[in-house]
Amino acid sequence: QSALTQPAFVSGSPGQSITISCTGSSSDVGSYKIVSWYQHHPGKAPKLLIYDDNNRPSGVSNRFSGSKSGNTASLTISGLQAEDEADYFCSLYSGGWVFGGGTKLTVL
Amino acid sequence: EVHLVESGGGLVKSGGSLRLSCTASGFSFSSSSMNWVRQTPGKGLEWVSSISSRSSSIYYADSVQGRFTISRDNAKNSLFLQMNSLRAEDTAVYYCARDLRGSETYYYDYWGQGTLVTVSS
Repeated sequence: QSALTQPAFVSGSPGQSITISCTGSSSDVGSYKIVSWYQHHPGKAPKLLIYDDNNRPSGVSNRFSGSKSGNTASLTISGLQAEDEADYFCSLYSGGWVFGGGTKLTVL
Repeated sequence: EVHLVESGGGLVKSGGSLRLSCTASGFSFSSSSMNWVRQTPGKGLEWVSSISSRSSSIYYADSVQGRFTISRDNAKNSLFLQMNSLRAEDTAVYYCARDLRGSETYYYDYWGQGTLVTVSS
């Protein structure tokens, strides 16, 4: 399976909204394979943010939302906060586990 | 509170061996499917291996097949990864993670903080 494509870097100012894309193909993202999103502060355990494309686990802020259109899944973070500065990656299972390359979010 | 704590990483020479451990608490380990996932600066995240709750199903990435062995001890809430014939390209942070899967859903809900494996050539 090919890796999912994410932008390497994204930035935004406090209070703004940003969107991180996760692009696959018609055989994975585009064929209804379920996408999950994770937040990773370096040195800490990755944290599940979104599962089943657009569901938040209990305890995850509603500032985080997921969506999907065609071959691209997206993670939107609204009301950006300083603590959102982290790495974010997407994942899906398509005959095997596939991950995005990761996106480093900088809060300006 | 859920905790997954990896240990056993370190510096090893090419061709050498290491055994990673992951100790779980705060959830039903014995009924959980577990994984090893690694992260390298150059290649990002890569799934390494999975083991079902009772060890009946085991899978490996092609890149480690024949060299790594995953196992678990449910009585001790522990997951292991025996890594033999290590190569420079195995250098990575290794994470243990629990996956949840159903007919349509697949995701990792718990992760550890990782343990660094460095293979010197």
